[in-house]
Amino acid sequence: SYVLTQPPSVSVAPGQTARITCGRNNIGSKSVHWYQQKPGQAPVLVVYDDNDRPSGIPERFSGSTSGNTATLTISRVEAGDEADYYCQVWDSSSLRVVFGGGTKLTVL
Amino acid sequence: QVQLVESGGGLVKPGGSLRLSCAASGFGFSDYYMTWIRQAPGKGLEWLSYISGRGSIIYYADSVRGRFTISRDNGKNSLYLQMNSLRAEDTAVYYCARGGSAYDMFDYWGQGTLVTVSS
Repeated sequence: SYVLTQPPSVSVAPGQTARITCGRNNIGSKSVHWYQQKPGQAPVLVVYDDNDRPSGIPERFSGSTSGNTATLTISRVEAGDEADYYCQVWDSSSLRVVFGGGTKLTVL
Repeated sequence: QVQLVESGGGLVKPGGSLRLSCAASGFGFSDYYMTWIRQAPGKGLEWLSYISGRGSIIYYADSVRGRFTISRDNGKNSLYLQMNSLRAEDTAVYYCARGGSAYDMFDYWGQGTLVTVSS
């Protein structure tokens, strides 16, 4: 089955840069989307198609893909960025949607 | 503005059935694929099923195929999930989301509805 591998947790100090990875063979050929989910809330799309941002999402959020890894980068991290982050792709072989296991971002 | 509002969740016994609804507004509902996604307590997101704008294309996750049925009524701007033969492991918050076509993202989500399967 198609698996997207994310680290369970990432910690970063305020003002620093957080990088959350999403791994899968040849993920660079996919369109990767990223969601932020705060406790008790529905997920929110923060990056789509590898590196585009929906309106209202700060420029501090960016994405990239290279080879087997997609990365969500959050610059100048703020306390309000503390949340769970999920990557997502569409698996063209099975015609199904796949989510990564999620990464809990802790702002120290 | 785009709004998605789920309803129909609740407590159901193992083996029971439940029908979830998602009322959509603020966009051309029939122009979009729609999707159901769930999240078990303390767990990650799990994609369940999507349906094309006209309802002609439907796919399910293996975990629910044969037990759950997705459908839509474009005249009522509504999405549905009929859930049969429910199990304890189906306990989760169920979200509807706009999107689901090839390589598509989910740009709008409902607030979710909680389904608890317990005797």
